[in-house]
Amino acid sequence: EADIYQTPRYLVIGTGKKITLECSQTMGHDKMYWYQQDPGMELHLIHYSYGVNSTEKGDLSSESTVSRIRTEHFPLTLESARPSHTSQYLCASSEYPTGTGITEAFFGQGTRLTVV
Amino acid sequence: AQTVTQSQPEMSVQEAETVTLSCTYDTSESDYYLFWYKQPPSRQMILVIRQEAYKQQNATENRFSVNFQKAAKSFSLKISDSQLGDAAMYFCAYRIRSNFGNEKLTFGTGTRLTIIP
Repeated sequence: EADIYQTPRYLVIGTGKKITLECSQTMGHDKMYWYQQDPGMELHLIHYSYGVNSTEKGDLSSESTVSRIRTEHFPLTLESARPSHTSQYLCASSEYPTGTGITEAFFGQGTRLTVV
Repeated sequence: AQTVTQSQPEMSVQEAETVTLSCTYDTSESDYYLFWYKQPPSRQMILVIRQEAYKQQNATENRFSVNFQKAAKSFSLKISDSQLGDAAMYFCAYRIRSNFGNEKLTFGTGTRLTIIP
């Protein structure tokens, strides 16, 4: 079982509220990712990080922001939640490959966010 | 930009039978990795099998095997002796191989697999 955790698992919140989705991993991975999974199940990369103090926007534009102050922690924040933010958010991590090694991404269980 | 296409939104198979899930991808890169991930109803995505593009031999993991056709940019997953626990959403994913560590996973839209008892 992968050592990557997301909290909360489920969150229902009112429009305009500020929220932070937590993601932590105990594997010492440098690379971490946030994916948004829409109702059709397709995953879209919204943020990623290659290490402490490194954050980049992903392929899908998102109003959320992320920070990476510690290797193990990669929280995602929405300053003002809207119904359009309702989705499943998946956090993942992976390590840098060495030599010709291939590395896999480990995923958390996800946070299902509903904004009413 | 790389794209991954899964043309089968849903598939079903009788328990103990074999099923093949399709995946095609588009890339101009020559060195990359391909993956199949499984997402059961509990939602945690787990890796099923992976393939390095430079390897001609198809990857195999127990009941799971792939048919990797690099020229055709095809990467199908075969599940043999299907079990009830195989029921899940299956995602095909692609990632370039880079020395800079800036690889990103690109996912297909997924195939929902149902196992019929």
